[in-house]
Amino acid sequence: AQTVTQSQPEMSVQEAETVTLSCTYDTSESDYYLFWYKQPPSRQMILVIRQEAYKQQNATENRFSVNFQKAAKSFSLKISDSQLGDAAMYFCAYRSALPSGTYKYIFGTGTRLKVLA
Amino acid sequence: GAGVSQTPSNKVTEKGKYVELRCDPISGHTALYWYRQSLGQGPEFLIYFQGTGAADDSGLPNDRFFAVRPEGSVSTLKIQRTERGDSAVYLCASSSRGSKPDTQYFGPGTRLTVL
Repeated sequence: AQTVTQSQPEMSVQEAETVTLSCTYDTSESDYYLFWYKQPPSRQMILVIRQEAYKQQNATENRFSVNFQKAAKSFSLKISDSQLGDAAMYFCAYRSALPSGTYKYIFGTGTRLKVLA
Repeated sequence: GAGVSQTPSNKVTEKGKYVELRCDPISGHTALYWYRQSLGQGPEFLIYFQGTGAADDSGLPNDRFFAVRPEGSVSTLKIQRTERGDSAVYLCASSSRGSKPDTQYFGPGTRLTVL
């Protein structure tokens, strides 16, 4: 069975600085997708960034980028130029890419990010 | 609608009662998922629908939980004989199963409190 681990329950970053959130996962599958979702107090899960395992290039979305290390099964999120609006819970998620799969997400326990003004 | 909607936003009930939680997915999305998020945890998978049928219900904790999607759009999660341990946020997500990796889009959730 696949598992996702987020070892940092809480992180803080100064506004305009850079922060990295860690995520490791365990799987025996060769093809899968990894996601980072943001969950503000409104509870709405918002997609931040997505990585396809077969792609070696790290995904980037504006101020958000990932460091995907497939051999190490590591998928960290880097937030540059942190803004007050980035404060939220961040969840790492795994999804199988097997054609017969249900594509359910397996989530980590989350990291609460605080942005200090 | 533009996004996934869920009603009610909050539901308070008494132990032993029956509740229904509704999810209205993004128009045209054929896949629909239910997750449960307990306090301080990440969401946990409950059930997945592809069209009208439940393709995977392996996450339902017991037979008190049941979900339907009769017309392949709106889904209802039904919980019988609620227990205090059922208190959680219930999230619904939908996706369009196509050639691209089908990213799931989440609703705002229903917070269920069982007294």
